[in-house]
Amino acid sequence: DTEVTQTPKHLVMGMTNKKSLKCEQHMGHRAMYWYKQKAKKPPELMFVYSYEKLSINESVPSRFSPECPNSSLLNLHLHALQPEDSALYLCATGAPGELFFGEGSRLTVL
Amino acid sequence: RKEVEQDPGPFNVPEGATVAFNCTYSNSASQSFFWYRQDCRKEPKLLMSVYSSGNEDGRFTAQLNRASQYISLLIRDSKLSDSATYLCVVNMGGNKLVFGAGTILRVKS
Repeated sequence: DTEVTQTPKHLVMGMTNKKSLKCEQHMGHRAMYWYKQKAKKPPELMFVYSYEKLSINESVPSRFSPECPNSSLLNLHLHALQPEDSALYLCATGAPGELFFGEGSRLTVL
Repeated sequence: RKEVEQDPGPFNVPEGATVAFNCTYSNSASQSFFWYRQDCRKEPKLLMSVYSSGNEDGRFTAQLNRASQYISLLIRDSKLSDSATYLCVVNMGGNKLVFGAGTILRVKS
């Protein structure tokens, strides 16, 4: 069983909707990550939070808005997404390189 | 040039075979290196870290050659359960981890 929990597991949304993806970890690590993975492609880094502060934003469009309310929680707020944003969104935590991933939230944008 | 490059495969091997995967990286300042495994429609999982001196974990051996900017993974005595995508991961520094495109391994009986 993974120690990084992501909700929802599946999400279908329209281009005008606002939704959020949530991630929770109780492993005690102070870095949390959002990755995006399209089918048959590797995970692509989106954001990194270190000690609850945004440390890396890989030029992600502003329709994706991350939030780290505390050291255990990581959110990804979604607004005005495009169909090409459909993907698996993976949350991770851990020391650099030694990451523990959640099972992901599979997002479909109609 | 991509930051991390891998042969996508697929590698189709019989049970019991030895198979090796390679990975090259472009940034000579890269700090640390890892192999992850990803099963179909599952999340990636850390398989092993890669140390300069080389390291072994059971049937798996990882090697790093900093001069050539090259990482390898050797799997001995392949099992059906080894079938997966193997991802090379490079830590560029400052928590920035870059994944290679992955190498598909299919072990057949």
